[in-house]
Parts: sequence; structure tokens; C-alpha cells
Amino acid sequence: DTAVSQTPKYLVTQMGNDKSIKCEQNLGHDTMYWYKQDSKKFLKIMFSYNNKELIINETVPNRFSPKSPDKAHLNLHINSLELGDSAVYFCASSDRGTNSPLHFGNGTRLTVT
Amino acid sequence: GDSVTQMEGPVTLSEEAFLTINCTYTATGYPSLFWYVQYPGEGLQLLLKATKADDKGSNKGFEATYRKETTSFHLEKGSVQVSDSAVYFCALVTGTYKYIFGTGTRLKVLA
Repeated sequence: DTAVSQTPKYLVTQMGNDKSIKCEQNLGHDTMYWYKQDSKKFLKIMFSYNNKELIINETVPNRFSPKSPDKAHLNLHINSLELGDSAVYFCASSDRGTNSPLHFGNGTRLTVT
Repeated sequence: GDSVTQMEGPVTLSEEAFLTINCTYTATGYPSLFWYVQYPGEGLQLLLKATKADDKGSNKGFEATYRKETTSFHLEKGSVQVSDSAVYFCALVTGTYKYIFGTGTRLKVLA
């Protein structure tokens, strides 16, 4: 059973298009996240939701809009894609408490041409 | 703000060599500390964790000790294998759900 699954695994699209990435977790966790990993492997938090409520919203262009229909799902919609959006996007989840580790999905490699 | 500093990579070792990857942190409060490993084409996996000072996390032969006095959480393994080749991330979290990651250290183990 895949604990945190995200789709698609690869996404190739042209500048200006709109695309979505879906994420689901079956761990029963309350909190979900989106991270962006650049070509140098640097990981940056983008958003976090706790029980469908936005709790972290880093400095991210407003072309990026997260949506959490329920606590098991957190989707990421990106409008007007730009070349600089090319990266690997990771979904993650965590249980309550600061001792809880993050559980990551396998990532979505987005390539904007 | 909170931060994590890792040694620059890549680190290249021969099989059975001793591994140390340095990690230091700055944080307000009392963070929990983690090491994650990322294999090519995969997401990050938790390798080990420590939640308070002097705790030692260990898994698959890897160890790290939470040193509050030196604000460090160095990763060690006594004898690395080719299969340990990956990128290793040190991370911390405080009570804000904000997990902070280091820049990652690539390890390459040669047979």
C-alpha cells in the first residue's frame, strides 16, 4: 500500500498552460504539505494544510493554488506555467506532534518547455 | 529564523569506509531532528530521528546523536555499502509544523 501517492509522476507542458498535481495519503494524518525541489536538490516548503485549513503559505507566486477537499487529499494547481516552475514537487504528510516525521510521496517531475 | 547547515557534497567513499556527514542547526525552542535519505527518482524516506538532547537515533547501521551543546546531529555509519549511495538530508521541526531541511549531501560509494 502506498502511503502518500501523487500523480502524475512526470508532467511535461508548455509555458502558459495550467496544470494540476494530485496527492492522497492513507496514513490518517492531519497535516499535508507541498515542497518544491530544485535541480540542486534544495527543498523548499510551499504550503501546508491541517485538517483542510491552510497553516503555512510561503512566498509562492499566486499562480500556485493548493486545494484540500478533505484531510486525505491536497492538490496543487498551477496557472500560467513558467520555465522557472520546472522542478520536482513533493507531497508529504505528518501526524500530530512535533516529533512526527514527514512521509513523502515519490514526487512529480514538472518540465515546462 | 530556524536553519540547518549540512556539509557540502558530494562525498565519495570506497565500500566499507567510515561515513560522517556533518549537520548543525539553529532553532528557537527545542526541535526534533531527522535524517532523511533520497534514492534516485524517489521521495525522501525517514532514516532516523531524535527528539531530545542526547537521544541517539539509529537505523540500518546509521546513527546520529542529538547534541544540544554543539547544536549538531552528525550522521555516521561504520561501513558503507554501494547501496547507500543517495542524497542525505538533515532536518528539524519545531512546534510550527515548519520542517526545515538542509541542502542535502550526495554520497557516492564505490565498489
